[in-house]
Amino acid sequence: LAKTTQPISMDSYEGQEVNITCSHNNIATNDYITWYQQFPSQGPRFIIQGYKTKVTNEVASLFIPADRKSSTLSLPRVSLSDTAVYYCLVGDDSGAGSYQLTFGKGTKLSVIP
Amino acid sequence: DVKVTQSSRYLVKRTGEKVFLECVQDMDHENMFWYRQDPGLGLRLIYFSYDVKMKEKGDIPEGYSVSREKKERFSLILESASTNQTSMYLCASSAGTNSGNTIYFGEGSWLTVV
Repeated sequence: LAKTTQPISMDSYEGQEVNITCSHNNIATNDYITWYQQFPSQGPRFIIQGYKTKVTNEVASLFIPADRKSSTLSLPRVSLSDTAVYYCLVGDDSGAGSYQLTFGKGTKLSVIP
Repeated sequence: DVKVTQSSRYLVKRTGEKVFLECVQDMDHENMFWYRQDPGLGLRLIYFSYDVKMKEKGDIPEGYSVSREKKERFSLILESASTNQTSMYLCASSAGTNSGNTIYFGEGSWLTVV
């Protein structure tokens, strides 16, 4: 059972705002929601993290509704350098005593000139 | 800055060879992870370790083993490499496995098994 569901891909023109939504219906009470960005041939890197409501940093904003069953990463005025794969991550308590952090397949964002 | 260093960026190995992928982190993190990444499949967890000499299986442990003799070092071992293990391997570390802890990744190791 997938922990998170994201669109496989998105296209956007330069200068537009991009919103990527992640569904996590089974999120646990103590889970945070974290987004990572991955460029080709590199490891993923942290973008933003939140627990509820809205979080903003110099790179992005993260919107989390009250039920926390989804979250939306917002990238303002994207540029070509924002072309990457974006991963949404929540906790994954396997129930067998181990607590994993499982990534989904991510959303491939392509920014068009 | 946290640094996760993977010893080899590109490797080519023959089928049946024993392969070691080494990873070192410099932030005294408790937890270390090995993922593999294949086109269209995202990142899949192979093994993780929450302490020295401790290990837990991830989603795809078959064909792999790991070793953590020191806190800063986590090794992935392919006992007998096969062509279906051709992939990019990513090592990562974090201060904890709670989802509030940031995961820091290395640059990846591209393994080709011929």
